[in-house]
Amino acid sequence: RKEVEQDPGPFNVPEGATVAFNCTYSNSASQSFFWYRQDCRKEPKLLMSVYSSGNEDGRFTAQLNRASQYISLLIRDSKLSDSATYLCVVNMGGGFKTIFGAGTRLFVKA
Amino acid sequence: GAVVSQHPSRVICKSGTSVKIECRSLDFQATTMFWYRQFPKQSLMLMATSNEGSKATYEQGVEKDKFLINHASLTLSTLTVTSAHPEDSSFYICSARGGSGYNEQFFGPGTRLTVL
Repeated sequence: RKEVEQDPGPFNVPEGATVAFNCTYSNSASQSFFWYRQDCRKEPKLLMSVYSSGNEDGRFTAQLNRASQYISLLIRDSKLSDSATYLCVVNMGGGFKTIFGAGTRLFVKA
Repeated sequence: GAVVSQHPSRVICKSGTSVKIECRSLDFQATTMFWYRQFPKQSLMLMATSNEGSKATYEQGVEKDKFLINHASLTLSTLTVTSAHPEDSSFYICSARGGSGYNEQFFGPGTRLTVL
């Protein structure tokens, strides 16, 4: 089993749609969780951290379920500019390495 | 967020030559820097983790004698690809951790290496 697994994608959605990405992690000792966004041929950029209480940033909502070892990202009112690969990232803290999921590709169409 | 620069952004070299890539944290001190490689349509693969002043920790399958990492200061880490071959052609990305976000990583813009 992979340490971090994501929906395979790609997701093809129309503008204005709501889309949800899921991610599971295998190590229950994981402490920090993030969603990164990567555009084609560019470096990943932090989209948002994921907290146990859930957090929202504009159209983006992230949820963490420690019991199920599950992270989600919800994008509402999709824009063309949301088209990118979304990476689920897990860190065990204390200097341990960060594990990246394989990414989920999103295409938002006009 | 914090800024990480990488140089060069693109390099084309002949097989057998060595290439050095620099990663700098511009506005914070990076206690830890990471080097990743990304092949087309694949995820980031961690190559090594380096802490300032100590030897890098390499991931399984990454040759430490081929990919030399030096983290001489809190703002600079270098990756040298020695005796590069065409199969080393890839997108190399560094990231740095430190500053205000303990576990957050800030990525450099990446270096696209093409070995002919």
